Amino acid sequence: EPEVTQTPSHQVTQMGQEVILRCVPISNHLYFYWYRQILGQKVEFLVSFYNNEISEKSEIFDDQFSVERPDGSNFTLKIRSTKLEDSAMYFCASSAAGRGTDTQYFGPGTRLTVL
Amino acid sequence: EDQVTQSPEALRLQEGESSSLNCSYTVSGLRGLFWYRQDPGKGPEFLFTLYSAGEEKEKERLKATLTKKESFLHITAPKPEDSATYLCAVQMKTSYDKVIFGPGTSLSVIP
Repeated sequence: EPEVTQTPSHQVTQMGQEVILRCVPISNHLYFYWYRQILGQKVEFLVSFYNNEISEKSEIFDDQFSVERPDGSNFTLKIRSTKLEDSAMYFCASSAAGRGTDTQYFGPGTRLTVL
Repeated sequence: EDQVTQSPEALRLQEGESSSLNCSYTVSGLRGLFWYRQDPGKGPEFLFTLYSAGEEKEKERLKATLTKKESFLHITAPKPEDSATYLCAVQMKTSYDKVIFGPGTSLSVIP
């Protein structure tokens, strides 16, 4: 069964450093998403991406965040200058269609630890 | 403000003891409601999508129902492998893709 994959599974970085989290969505999906989950808290929507541009973003997704689909298979989340409060699980998801008309399938997540 | 709450926060059941989890939502027009299962350290795993009041979906020991204000996830004769956190999420008609998750219900099924 097709699945969303994410690398790395765990990333440790120093405050102020840039990190790139990588995702390979399900191959025939067209809509891509990033979510985060701070330990013990809710899963929070960050951004959706379709047709090589941001479709929607939350108030969390500020100028330090960016997303990119550098090739036909990868989808990345970049955090330019990490802060302690960026420590969280980051989940990538993909769906065949958007606007809530199709299921979002989640990857296993990347645990980001900012020291 | 759009909001999703879930109750109870945690639930312990004996194997075979049926129960229900609740998801209440206050949103400006519901496009869809989703149920996910999340195991510790893993990503949410899709269970059901419900779109309109009165709709029901079933999968093995799980049955999800939807009213205008809430959704229930009924678990019939649960097994220890059903132990997980169950997440409810909603998408509003005012949003393109944003999904709001509830805090989840942590279910433990004791053999």
